[in-house]
Amino acid sequence: DVKVTQSSRYLVKRTGEKVFLECVQDMDHENMFWYRQDPGLGLRLIYFSYDVKMKEKGDIPEGYSVSREKKERFSLILESASTNQTSMYLCASSPWGRAGQETQYFGPGTRLLVL
Amino acid sequence: SQQGEEDPQALSIQEGENATMNCSYKTSINNLQWYRQNSGRGLVHLILIRSNEREKHSGRLRVTLDTSKKSSSLLITASRAADTASYFCATENKAAGNKLTFGGGTRVLVKP
Repeated sequence: DVKVTQSSRYLVKRTGEKVFLECVQDMDHENMFWYRQDPGLGLRLIYFSYDVKMKEKGDIPEGYSVSREKKERFSLILESASTNQTSMYLCASSPWGRAGQETQYFGPGTRLLVL
Repeated sequence: SQQGEEDPQALSIQEGENATMNCSYKTSINNLQWYRQNSGRGLVHLILIRSNEREKHSGRLRVTLDTSKKSSSLLITASRAADTASYFCATENKAAGNKLTFGGGTRVLVKP
């Protein structure tokens, strides 16, 4: 079974803090994704990556950055957390070289509260 | 607005009944996928239907796709309490660089 793990299930941070969300997958997938999920808005893509050191902006990249130094790990960074970044963050991975062509496998999510 | 939009937003049924939810989208797609999310958890893939397919089955799930109407439906037959979850459609869009775009979801409550 594909396993996607996220470093924290719940996180509380203060405005202005730098926040790191880590995601690790164990199936040697090329593609990895970060989404945020807010009530009524579904999932919105923040960033994705096709391969190590590759990254592409999604629909809402402002205020976020990412890092993919190893194939299995994709990190989401909030440079200076703000209250409007309070949300559920979901990481996903998929095989193939082109994002989205196959099923995505999701981690359990990190619920982030920014005070 | 979302590429994929589910209808209804919420659905409440008795165990044993069928549940039907719909997804509409706006642009040409390569495929459409349905996912389930249990409360507070990650999404789990249910079924993928390609743009040249019209119907697909997986266990108690039946998915249809009508590309002329840009719509899809997910039918869960003989529902169980364990089917209580949110269901999302996701479209892989030719115009959007083959990324997945998710709708807002349908919340399904199956009462025992």
